Amino acid sequence: KAGVTQTPRYLIKTRGQQVTLSCSPISGHRSVSWYQQTPGQGLQFLFEYFSETQRNKGNFPGRFSGRQFSNSRSEMNVSTLELGDSALYLCASSLDPGISNTEAFFGQGTRLTVV
Amino acid sequence: AQSVTQLGSHVSVSEGALVLLRCNYSSSVPPYLFWYVQYPNQGLQLLLKYTTGATLVKGINGFEAEFKKSETSFHLTKPSAHMSDAAEYFCAVTRNTGGFKTIFGAGTRLFVKA
Repeated sequence: KAGVTQTPRYLIKTRGQQVTLSCSPISGHRSVSWYQQTPGQGLQFLFEYFSETQRNKGNFPGRFSGRQFSNSRSEMNVSTLELGDSALYLCASSLDPGISNTEAFFGQGTRLTVV
Repeated sequence: AQSVTQLGSHVSVSEGALVLLRCNYSSSVPPYLFWYVQYPNQGLQLLLKYTTGATLVKGINGFEAEFKKSETSFHLTKPSAHMSDAAEYFCAVTRNTGGFKTIFGAGTRLFVKA
């Protein structure tokens, strides 16, 4: 079956602009999580959605937001981009957070460069 | 609060040598533990996981890890390194607290010398 699909793969934006990234989870997966990966900070948790509701949130400013649609597809938005937002943004889907041995399946990521 | 510590941001081994990547966690309750591998410009791929049961867990590509509760460790090993093992490895701990949240270690980059 198809894996986690993130679009676009690469993106260049100007400081001050906003950006929307998309993630299509594996069919049947209802939980979608977002992570930011940078050389300096490593992998940092942004937020997690399940059944269109945000269930967990990391320590990021309000410029970072997300949503999940009824088909489990998710988007994340970053407004007023800063140079420090340049990173690889990874999306992960999992079957059900209520299952104890749930594992995350990752997409290939969106490489965002802010200039 | 739970966290994950990976000892050594870079590890270098010769091809055919033992691979040992260290991971220690802190958690107030038994966690679910994972090792992921990331190749350049790729997402993360699950190597293995520990949830309950047998403490020695075998994963893909010949990797295994042992959960040691007394040492709060979950070190990753492979008896014989291959050039294709060169990648970045992440240890992670997950708890289901009404939602799915995974905390990753800082990662260890493995170099394999010919």
